[in-house]
Amino acid sequence: QSALTQPASVSGSPGQSITISCTGTSSDVGGYNYVSWYQQHPGKAPKLMIYDVSNRPSGVSNRFSGSKSGNTASLTISGLQAEDEADYYCSSYTSSSTPWVFGTGTKVTVL
Amino acid sequence: QVQLVQSGAEVKKPGASVKVSCKASGYTFTGYYMHWVRQAPGQGLEWMGWINPNSGGTNYAQKFQGWVTMTRDTSISTAYMELSRLRSDDTAVYYCARWPPNYYGMDVWGQGTTVTVSS
Repeated sequence: QSALTQPASVSGSPGQSITISCTGTSSDVGGYNYVSWYQQHPGKAPKLMIYDVSNRPSGVSNRFSGSKSGNTASLTISGLQAEDEADYYCSSYTSSSTPWVFGTGTKVTVL
Repeated sequence: QVQLVQSGAEVKKPGASVKVSCKASGYTFTGYYMHWVRQAPGQGLEWMGWINPNSGGTNYAQKFQGWVTMTRDTSISTAYMELSRLRSDDTAVYYCARWPPNYYGMDVWGQGTTVTVSS
């Protein structure tokens, strides 16, 4: 099972919106509404930001939203803030012998 | 509050085994599957497997089958991940993470355990 494909880096200015893509196949992203997104600051454990494609856990800012079209899921951060600078990973359930897979990760830089 | 507290850093020689613990508190341990995820230095997240603390049933990533063992002790609300035949490229931070029963995601993470494999 290969990792899901994410852009290595995305950047934006404070207040702008950015979108991170996560591309898989019909065996993972496209086949299930089981995509989640994680934020990881340097030296810290990941934090769940989105589950089941578009749902936010309690306490996560509504500036974070998720969606999916075909085999590609997306995380949008609106009203970009300095504290959003971090690494972001998508993840999906898969029908393969390895039932969970992460994306390659995207470094978000706030200019 | 809900938290997962992992055991401390380990330094191991190639060929040895390591066992990392993850103690849960603030919730019913047997009600949530537990994932194990690792992250090599400067690299991304890699899913290793999960354990059902209620039944002890496991599901390992194909890469780790025959090489990783996940267990639990319900009497002390602790999950364990043991990796054998360590190599230098097993140097990583190892995380446990809770999986709620009603959605697909890992909602609570341990602080991570650094395992260094070096001769």
